[in-house]
Amino acid sequence: ETGVTQTPRHLVMGMTNKKSLKCEQHLGHNAMYWYKQSAKKPLELMFVYSLEERVENNSVPSRFSPECPNSSHLFLHLHTLQPEDSALYLCASSQDRGGPGEQFFGPGTRLTVL
Amino acid sequence: AQSVSQHNHHVILSEAASLELGCNYSYGGTVNLFWYVQYPGQHLQLLLKYFSGDPLVKGIKGFEAEFIKSKFSFNLRKPSVQWSDTAEYFCAVKGGSQGNLIFGKGTKLSVKP
Repeated sequence: ETGVTQTPRHLVMGMTNKKSLKCEQHLGHNAMYWYKQSAKKPLELMFVYSLEERVENNSVPSRFSPECPNSSHLFLHLHTLQPEDSALYLCASSQDRGGPGEQFFGPGTRLTVL
Repeated sequence: AQSVSQHNHHVILSEAASLELGCNYSYGGTVNLFWYVQYPGQHLQLLLKYFSGDPLVKGIKGFEAEFIKSKFSFNLRKPSVQWSDTAEYFCAVKGGSQGNLIFGKGTKLSVKP
């Protein structure tokens, strides 16, 4: 596979469930990102990892917990979510966090919280 | 704080019409500018980018964008749209070497065959 892949593509969960989103990049990049895409709102940056170290957490509630075990994989662990957390969650990667390089996006996970 | 404004939420055109989508940003320093496109059911992909040099940037599929520094704008253009250009278009700005990518709300383009 090439590019950035995300699994699952769709997820329905109750407010008391625990689930995880997975992202994998096959581009040899050093930086990875989680974004939230909601209707009629700009993409919201959630977390930034550079060389497996979290460098930014944009005031995201603790019910979202990221994990970056290596430079190719990024997880978003979800627990006790709220219905307003329903959205498309996008993973992206770039060569480095700094510098002008563009970000490459995965297809996203469509999350519905009941 | 940096912000990006896309003036149109939804644009509807007939095939062969010309397209211009507005994008303005607020950031006083050096910026890197991007347009991304999201076709129905597909992931965000880069359409074109500006880092430095010629302010008129050519992208894929006949798109181009012009960086006008004095106006803090980076408008997207295409002389003649096709039905296959139906998609959502996002302008994004990265300010500074450690800056994050800031996105606009997106403009949905519908092209009627």
